[in-house]
Amino acid sequence: EVQLVESGGGLVKPGGSLRLSCAASGFTFSSYSMNWVRQAPGKGLEWVSSISSSSSYIYYADSVKGRFTISRDNAKNSLYLQMNSLRAEDTAVYYCARPQYSSSSPYMDVWGKGTTVTVSS
Amino acid sequence: QSVLTQPPSVSGAPGQRVTISCTGSSSNIGAGYDVHWYQQLPGTAPKLLIYGNSNRPSGVPDRFSGSKSGTSASLAITGLQAEDEADYYCQSYDSSLSGPWVFGGGTKLTVL
Repeated sequence: EVQLVESGGGLVKPGGSLRLSCAASGFTFSSYSMNWVRQAPGKGLEWVSSISSSSSYIYYADSVKGRFTISRDNAKNSLYLQMNSLRAEDTAVYYCARPQYSSSSPYMDVWGKGTTVTVSS
Repeated sequence: QSVLTQPPSVSGAPGQRVTISCTGSSSNIGAGYDVHWYQQLPGTAPKLLIYGNSNRPSGVPDRFSGSKSGTSASLAITGLQAEDEADYYCQSYDSSLSGPWVFGGGTKLTVL
């Protein structure tokens, strides 16, 4: 079964740091780009970051650029998101998701259950 | 403010047909980029519902269908069921932004 399982969320003070992890199973992780998507409480979906299969290409939303770092370890089938200088507006459920590029625009066909990040003093 | 515009809410009685619109611009849907739809049941993660404008992943009932025309796309749900009550999001690509992934703001479907 194809599965993504996020972990690492929690309560952190403004300005603090947190590292999220996503464990992949059931597919050849090293062959796929991966994404992080977040959802603030009561709000819609927001793409956060993408990383190519070999980590050669990395992209960030403007809202997190310079503060978040995406990385992966293909040997461990794992995706990471290092979040620094956290702000209250970063409070959200963070999902890792697998993109597909079989269309003229990419889409995400597998999602994890998410991990909750709360930034509050 | 989302790049793609969806109505905040729609509703329908069981058995009825409802549609959810997704309006973009010349830099995303209007530029020819495909539209995809996700269903998010209460308290759960999003699930791919429609990809490539009108294709259903395995396991998605044919009550769900998608279409695209010009700068807009639509999701149609026929034979509405109570279990369809969820949030629905459209997603596409925008060539004018630094990131390729743009979402609609989401539409809450209420089954009356």
